[in-house]
Amino acid sequence: DTAVSQTPKYLVTQMGNDKSIKCEQNLGHDTMYWYKQDSKKFLKIMFSYNNKELIINETVPNRFSPKSPDKAHLNLHINSLELGDSAVYFCASSQDESPLHFGNGTRLTVT
Amino acid sequence: GENVEQHPSTLSVQEGDSAVIKCTYSDSASNYFPWYKQELGKGPQLIIDIRSNVGEKKDQRIAVTLNKTAKHFSLHITETQPEDSAVYFCAASSSSNSGYALNFGKGTSLLVT
Repeated sequence: DTAVSQTPKYLVTQMGNDKSIKCEQNLGHDTMYWYKQDSKKFLKIMFSYNNKELIINETVPNRFSPKSPDKAHLNLHINSLELGDSAVYFCASSQDESPLHFGNGTRLTVT
Repeated sequence: GENVEQHPSTLSVQEGDSAVIKCTYSDSASNYFPWYKQELGKGPQLIIDIRSNVGEKKDQRIAVTLNKTAKHFSLHITETQPEDSAVYFCAASSSSNSGYALNFGKGTSLLVT
């Protein structure tokens, strides 16, 4: 009965590769997010989608492209991975004024 | 944009003592202030939140206070237990057409021994 689930949990890849992280929520929420947590634990928003429409796009390299096939899914595709992309990526969802619900994260390591 | 400052970055207390974490925010339009607890290997989980029309909220051993004039809010944990050890994040946001995207503080690593 996981509310927000992301796969994979761990992702190890080499520089220059392209990878995707998938996220699904079964809460019926309209809004989904991607956050990046760096090695110092700082959480920073990357994207926000509401009903499949992009509403927030912070200063993120265009190598990162979110895709929302429906309002229950928000996937993150990353092209030409760089060492600095290593981090934990969290998906989250919310509805109207409800609190954000986070997934358990995907630890991306670029070597 | 919103800037959220959080102090201290680390906090060590003895079991049974109280712990206080403080945050300040910059955007006077912010009206929602949640606190999240993150355990190792997991995503942040909401533990308590407060909205701008309320000055204080309590849930068992956890309480949050908000001073809108001074733009600061605090988390208070009483009778701390070892399982309270985790990283705690404060956050602030304002309702807008952009939804409720949260701006987080840098976190406080709490250790209860």
